[in-house]
Amino acid sequence: DADVTQTPRNRITKTGKRIMLECSQTKGHDRMYWYRQDPGLGLQLIYYSFDVKDINKGEISDGYSVSRQAQAKFSLSLESAIPNQTALYFCATGTDNEQFFGPGTRLTVL
Amino acid sequence: DAKTTQPNSMESNEEEPVHLPCNHSTISGTDYIHWYRQLPSQGPEYVIHGLTSNVNNRMASLAIAEDRKSSTLILHRATLRDAAVYYCIPSGSARQLTFGSGTQLTVLP
Repeated sequence: DADVTQTPRNRITKTGKRIMLECSQTKGHDRMYWYRQDPGLGLQLIYYSFDVKDINKGEISDGYSVSRQAQAKFSLSLESAIPNQTALYFCATGTDNEQFFGPGTRLTVL
Repeated sequence: DAKTTQPNSMESNEEEPVHLPCNHSTISGTDYIHWYRQLPSQGPEYVIHGLTSNVNNRMASLAIAEDRKSSTLILHRATLRDAAVYYCIPSGSARQLTFGSGTQLTVLP
């Protein structure tokens, strides 16, 4: 089984809808991350959490919110989706030495 | 964060060595050099990281210049499966990684 799982893997939604992307990890690490990737570009950090009670904004947090339900679970919400949030979204967990990434969620906002 | 410069793209022939360069002239003395790669349609995966000395693992070798202003990721025998975007990331730890646009490696059969 994969160490980091993301659901859904693909999602098409309409402008204005609320969307939640979920992430689970079995690595047992405290740190979790949400990134966004636009075509041809590197990953941009949206939010990160160093433990269950710690949530921090990344470089592009506007329009997004997160919830850390447990050590193993970190969800990303788009309260009112807009077309320029169409992108690949990656969840990760990690240590001081390495981050482990999920397979990604492809989100399309029409 | 240290500014990095990587070639946008490189090509290699299968079963030949590949040297992927990275310039990071503003790296701080405590920053490690992390390398990740992203295979098509997948999330990034860790390749290797180092501070000052050259490092080897089962995937690759990392050669770090003596002044630490540049480094080179070495794939000893490229395979088709090594075709990916390779990211060079100077950072104090993997606690926070800033991804640039990386180098797209194409491996020719």
